[in-house]
Amino acid sequence: EVQLVESGGGLVKPGGSLRLSCAASGFSFNNYAMNWVRQAPGKGLEWVSSITSTSNYIYYADSVKGRFTISRDNAKNSLYLQMNRLRVEDTAVYYCAKGTISAASSGGDYWGQGTLVTVSS
Amino acid sequence: QLVLTQSPSASASLGASVNLTCTLTSGHINYAIAWHQQQPEKGPRYLMRLNSDGSHIKGDGIPDRFSGSSSGAERYLTISSLQSEDEADYYCHSWGTGIWVFGGGTKLTVL
Repeated sequence: EVQLVESGGGLVKPGGSLRLSCAASGFSFNNYAMNWVRQAPGKGLEWVSSITSTSNYIYYADSVKGRFTISRDNAKNSLYLQMNRLRVEDTAVYYCAKGTISAASSGGDYWGQGTLVTVSS
Repeated sequence: QLVLTQSPSASASLGASVNLTCTLTSGHINYAIAWHQQQPEKGPRYLMRLNSDGSHIKGDGIPDRFSGSSSGAERYLTISSLQSEDEADYYCHSWGTGIWVFGGGTKLTVL
């Protein structure tokens, strides 16, 4: 059974940093692209970042480019999102989502349960 | 620029059928999409991938009541024999090289 479990969310002040993790199991993690998607309170889904299976291609939404860094450790079956210079508008539930192939040019077929990031003074 | 457009809300009676629509921008009518369901206070759940020719591949455990079809720039999700647990937000989703795009979501109310 595919499982994606996010962790690392919490309350942080504007300008602060946070690192999210996503622990994957139930599939060959090193064969699939992975993605972060967020959902602000009461809003829809917003793509944040994608990383290919071997980390050779990485992509970001304009809203987070230069502030967030996606990475993965295939030996640990884990995906990460380092978030720096956080803003109030980054407040959201952050989901990791599994891609359907190794490249980032694919959809997603499994989601985690999400971790809440609140940016507030 | 790829944009997906969904109606904000839909409603249908228990036991009835409903069609939800996702419209792609005119330059992207050959794109595949995915449909995802998000029940209240839960994470999204993948329902299916839907190709431009109407063929679709459903996710694990998705009931036969859920089906998809396509016509031009329109992608449809049909839910038949509506049940109370189908009351949820439904998002269409497409992708290009290194970008994901979501529709605004349709909130389905089961009456």
